[in-house]
Amino acid sequence: AQSVTQLGSHVSVSEGALVLLRCNYSSSVPPYLFWYVQYPNQGLQLLLKYTTGATLVKGINGFEAEFKKSETSFHLTKPSAHMSDAAEYFCAVSESENRDDKIIFGKGTRLHILP
Amino acid sequence: DGGITQSPKYLFRKEGQNVTLSCEQNLNHDAMYWYRQDPGQGLRLIYYSQIVNDFQKGDIAEGYSVSREKKESFPLTVTSAQKNPTAFYLCASSIVRSSGANVLTFGAGSRLTVL
Repeated sequence: AQSVTQLGSHVSVSEGALVLLRCNYSSSVPPYLFWYVQYPNQGLQLLLKYTTGATLVKGINGFEAEFKKSETSFHLTKPSAHMSDAAEYFCAVSESENRDDKIIFGKGTRLHILP
Repeated sequence: DGGITQSPKYLFRKEGQNVTLSCEQNLNHDAMYWYRQDPGQGLRLIYYSQIVNDFQKGDIAEGYSVSREKKESFPLTVTSAQKNPTAFYLCASSIVRSSGANVLTFGAGSRLTVL
């Protein structure tokens, strides 16, 4: 069964600094990987996804993530943090060969932006 | 605009009462899902349905029930058997692809508080 581990339930960065949110996954088959963002009292929005092909994927709001099979990682980065990036971020995985296709979420990382 | 509508946004319930959360989508998606979100726990899957009149239990189905009589609607009933029902409930939907990742579209959520 697949699983997701997000390192750090809270991350604080200064405005303008690099954002790095860590995600490691476990899957017995090639995975599909996702990052979602949640603003307070709202649902989740898709930031980006990896399915096949290029391992560096770009998403909305300047975020990107790199799939590293050897490290079973899919870390999320943004070169320069903005105050509007403050939110909770969820990494998720589903198994590409499983048409039942349940999506498993990590426990989330809350990103704080310091002025 | 297409999307998912969850109602009510806030709901208070006395212990021992059943309550039904509504989820309606106009995206023409085949699959619908219910997740429960608790602080620091991420999203946990309660039930999902990939086709009308069929649904499957997720990881934490005990104390919950669902129905899928129409493609557009997937209501969740929180029964008195659910021991700790206070949580944020998220409904999501997706198309069902023969290949490629199923991306979830989320509603804005319903916050249930048991008094």
